[in-house]
Amino acid sequence: SAVISQKPSRDICQRGTSLTIQCQVDSQVTMMFWYRQQPGQSLTLIATANQGSEATYESGFVIDKFPISRPNLTFSTLTVSNMSPEDSSIYLCSVGVSGRVDEQFFGPGTRLTVL
Amino acid sequence: AQSVAQPEDQVNVAEGNPLTVKCTYSVSGNPYLFWYVQYPNRGLQFLLKYITGDNLVKGSYGFEAEFNKSQTSFHLKKPSALVSDSALYFCAVRDRRNNNDMRFGAGTRLTVKP
Repeated sequence: SAVISQKPSRDICQRGTSLTIQCQVDSQVTMMFWYRQQPGQSLTLIATANQGSEATYESGFVIDKFPISRPNLTFSTLTVSNMSPEDSSIYLCSVGVSGRVDEQFFGPGTRLTVL
Repeated sequence: AQSVAQPEDQVNVAEGNPLTVKCTYSVSGNPYLFWYVQYPNRGLQFLLKYITGDNLVKGSYGFEAEFNKSQTSFHLKKPSALVSDSALYFCAVRDRRNNNDMRFGAGTRLTVKP
């Protein structure tokens, strides 16, 4: 399995600011995803991070609000821009391992609170 | 598009008793099915998956799940619950034709009482 780390693990931010979350994997992976888990809710896919090209966003999520970078096969960032209290969630990085596309592994998550 | 339903928000069982956490799915083709567990303040941990073959899948920590195609269900089971099994459990489905799209159920909170 892949070992995934996320930074920061948690943060408290002011309305109107932006936060960039980092996801680092210990091996090269084919697929990287970003999910949001709002309080008491299930996971919702934000986007698929594509290496070397623009991320693929799900319905309801846009690049201006959630810009994503993936410069290589082991690293990605998600920025939550112009934050509001509604953005308070856990943000999870997830990866699909090359050759094992039937399985996904998840990072520990970043707990974001927006005041 | 695929979807997953976990009909119970909460399941309570006594330690030592068998537990079942229910999951039904909707997908046009043959799905990949998964169970994940989330402990407080921790990320999701993979429990088990159904890809093909034997309908009874065994996973981590003594859990198992049975794939029932006619009932489109994939219920999670354990013969004897432990207090440490108390956590949030998520069922997920992925359409084999679109590996990018994994859908999660709403989650079921399992509480095992001593």
